[in-house]
Amino acid sequence: AQSVTQLGSHVSVSEGALVLLRCNYSSSVPPYLFWYVQYPNQGLQLLLKYTTGATLVKGINGFEAEFKKSETSFHLTKPSAHMSDAAEYFCAARPSNAGGTSYGKLTFGQGTILTVHP
Amino acid sequence: EPEVTQTPSHQVTQMGQEVILRCVPISNHLYFYWYRQILGQKVEFLVSFYNNEISEKSEIFDDQFSVERPDGSNFTLKIRSTKLEDSAMYFCASRARGLAGVETQYFGPGTRLLVL
Repeated sequence: AQSVTQLGSHVSVSEGALVLLRCNYSSSVPPYLFWYVQYPNQGLQLLLKYTTGATLVKGINGFEAEFKKSETSFHLTKPSAHMSDAAEYFCAARPSNAGGTSYGKLTFGQGTILTVHP
Repeated sequence: EPEVTQTPSHQVTQMGQEVILRCVPISNHLYFYWYRQILGQKVEFLVSFYNNEISEKSEIFDDQFSVERPDGSNFTLKIRSTKLEDSAMYFCASRARGLAGVETQYFGPGTRLLVL
């Protein structure tokens, strides 16, 4: 069964520092991978996704993530944190070989709350 | 920009009562989903809905749960007889037609359900 693990339920960084949020997946076949962000009182917003092609994907707000098959990882990074990046971040996966039998069900990690200090 | 909306934002109910959570997906979307997140736990898939029928459901989605799209715009989740363990944030999501892995699921802001 597919699973997603996010290391660290809370990450705290200073404004301007590197943001690194970790995500590992467990799947017999590399899945499609997603990062969502949730700001207070809002829905989950897609930051970026990896399906096929280039393993380094860029998303909104300066975030990027690299798919590393050998490490079964899809860590999210941002070179310089802003105060506005404070939110909860979710890594999610869905099977890439689902064809017509899966309708896009996402499996989520437990979420990482990012705090940015001035 | 189109968005998924959910009502109510918060609901408090007594154990054993029926609740209906409402969602308005993005208008041209064809696939609809419910997820939930119990406090401190992962976001969990409940059910997917396509072409007016359930296409996939999780073990959580037992006979106490049902979904429907009554009028072509709303998408509802009904819990027939709520239990304490149903207390959670419930998210609705929708996506357009296309390859399932490529098309983005758009999420609503959630309904926080508290069962007393």
